Amino acid sequence: DTEVTQTPKHLVMGMTNKKSLKCEQHMGHRAMYWYKQKAKKPPELMFVYSYEKLSINESVPSRFSPECPNSSLLNLHLHALQPEDSALYLCASSPPGRGEKLFFGSGTQLSVL
Amino acid sequence: GDSVTQMEGPVTLSEEAFLTINCTYTATGYPSLFWYVQYPGEGLQLLLKATKADDKGSNKGFEATYRKETTSFHLEKGSVQVSDSAVYFCALSGWVTFGIGTKLQVIP
Repeated sequence: DTEVTQTPKHLVMGMTNKKSLKCEQHMGHRAMYWYKQKAKKPPELMFVYSYEKLSINESVPSRFSPECPNSSLLNLHLHALQPEDSALYLCASSPPGRGEKLFFGSGTQLSVL
Repeated sequence: GDSVTQMEGPVTLSEEAFLTINCTYTATGYPSLFWYVQYPGEGLQLLLKATKADDKGSNKGFEATYRKETTSFHLEKGSVQVSDSAVYFCALSGWVTFGIGTKLQVIP
């Protein structure tokens, strides 16, 4: 199994809602990532988890809250988002080490109304 | 800091034309270099990689050579197909440094 599975594929939420994005991989990768991608832009790193511990937070606003319950799962909890947070949210995983390739999920297309 | 400079698109080619997408980088040390491809509505997929100077990565007819002297990793394909239409990202090892992406459109 070489897939990273993200759910849901699409999400529409209001600014007062609370929602969660889910990411799952069964490749035994111990590094997992959240990226935000706006249209016609490259992915921007948000968070890195290494061995289920948050190792990098790229100054992301607190309305985004990551969680790594176990080595296969990564969640992104959303609360009080703004319309400018509308984007494609990509999850990725990799073996540990900076030279390793990333395996990406298909993403969740988020619209904040 | 590390950075990647990638040619802006879009690039429009006829089927069977030759493709070059330029990528240069600035980095400390000896990074690995990657090309990722993103098809519409999907995440990024690794296309090819090279881990040291003079390495050539290749996959699906695409090639790129790690040139330390020119700090470049240009993507080439001898004969593009309509199915190659996508956005291509050059990237450095690590998780942060992607180029801006080059949209390729191949017309029949």
